[in-house]
Amino acid sequence: GENVEQHPSTLSVQEGDSAVIKCTYSDSASNYFPWYKQELGKRPQLIIDIRSNVGEKKDQRIAVTLNKTAKHFSLHITETQPEDSAVYFCAASIYGNQFYFGTGTSLTVIP
Amino acid sequence: EAQVTQNPRYLITVTGKKLTVTCSQNMNHEYMSWYRQDPGLGLRQIYYSMNVEVTDKGDVPEGYKVSRKEKRNFPLILESPSPNQTSLYFCATSTSGHSSYEQYFGPGTRLTVT
Repeated sequence: GENVEQHPSTLSVQEGDSAVIKCTYSDSASNYFPWYKQELGKRPQLIIDIRSNVGEKKDQRIAVTLNKTAKHFSLHITETQPEDSAVYFCAASIYGNQFYFGTGTSLTVIP
Repeated sequence: EAQVTQNPRYLITVTGKKLTVTCSQNMNHEYMSWYRQDPGLGLRQIYYSMNVEVTDKGDVPEGYKVSRKEKRNFPLILESPSPNQTSLYFCATSTSGHSSYEQYFGPGTRLTVT
C-alpha cells in the first residue's frame, strides 16, 4: 500500500516568518493530496488540497506544491501568525477512496 | 446546520465488552470513513464506504466491523475490544464527487479499553 512520510515532526518559527512542511509518497497512482490542520482538542480541518494535474495551488498565505516525478509535496505558510500554531497532516489518496496520512507536524509560531 | 455527529464522545470500557460508536451526517454525502488517531502515528484509516451497502478496508481494519445500511449512518463496531484499541476515533464524510474529495470530520470519540 501507500506510504506517506512527513517532515519535520516539530517546527518552531518566529511570527512573520515562513514555515515549510514536506511529505513524500510511494504510490505513483495517488492523485489527490490534501493538507489538514488540527488545533489542540479539535477535529482535523482541510486547509488546502491539490490534484496531480496541478503543480502548485495557493490560497492567501498558504500554498502547496507537488512534484509528481519525485513523489513529494510541500505546504508553505507565509507571514505566520500565532493562530497558525497547530498540528498539520498531509495525506495521499487515489480518487478520494482510501486515504493515507502522514504522522503530523506540530507547528509553533512564537510571537 | 451541516454536521457530522459521533456518539459517545467519551467511553471507558473493559476488554471483551462489545461496543458501537455511531456516526451520523446530514450532508447527504456518499462517502464515509473511520479513522483512529494515536500519538506519533497520525490518522490511520480503519474502514471506508463509498455508498450504501459498500464498505472497504482501510489500513488498519483488524478488530473492527462497520455497516452502511443507510446513507446518513456509518457505525463502528468493536466486537471484542482490547487495550490496543484505546485511541481517539474520528468519523469523516465527503461528497466523493469529481468536484471535491474534502473530508469533514466529526468531533471525535475518545475510547479507553482497560
